[in-house]
Amino acid sequence: DIQMTQSPSSLSASVGDRVTITCRASQSISSYLNWYQQKPGKAPKLLIYAASSLQSGVPSRFSGSGSGTDFTLTISSLLPEDFATYYCQQTYSTRYTFGQGTKLEIK
Amino acid sequence: EVQLVESGGGLVQPGGSLRLSCVASGFTFSSYWMHWVRQVPGKGLVWVSGINSDGSTIIYADSAKGRFTISRDNAKNTLYLQMNSLRAEDTAVYYCASVRVVAGGMDVWGQGTTVTVSS
Repeated sequence: DIQMTQSPSSLSASVGDRVTITCRASQSISSYLNWYQQKPGKAPKLLIYAASSLQSGVPSRFSGSGSGTDFTLTISSLLPEDFATYYCQQTYSTRYTFGQGTKLEIK
Repeated sequence: EVQLVESGGGLVQPGGSLRLSCVASGFTFSSYWMHWVRQVPGKGLVWVSGINSDGSTIIYADSAKGRFTISRDNAKNTLYLQMNSLRAEDTAVYYCASVRVVAGGMDVWGQGTTVTVSS
């Protein structure tokens, strides 16, 4: 199975900060990379699909980039509602795999 | 409103069985891949199984293969996960999710149903 590794595992930041989360695949996955946000007690929410396409209704402060094995999720200016856990997911292989998650906390 | 609603979770003894259901509304269920994803409280997301629009292609994670069976009834807009030979490590919140965007992004999720395997 393709392994997905996110960094960092946790991150402390302040409202207004620009933050970047990285996801690395154990082999090339082209652009078959999605990003999700999850808040406690809630289902995940799709933010970015196909590495860089913004899901409908998601604010433009979220952006994704990358291809092959290295990908990034960037939040341009943090709002209070952005503090959550973020997951990457590969769908290149039919046996989908998620990264371990990055918990974004308020500094 | 586009919605997925899971049911069927509960407490079951090791070795027991459960069938989870996921009812879709607000979109053309029969057109899309559907998946099950689980999450141990406080831990990460783990993909379990997926099924294509007409049920002809089914995929499982190693942890589910041979014990879990995914299926769908497009006439009832319902996805199922039959779970047999349950183990303590299957304890988790189980989510169903649809894939209606390219690259397999899971764009609609249910609220989750909790499965607890314990004696």
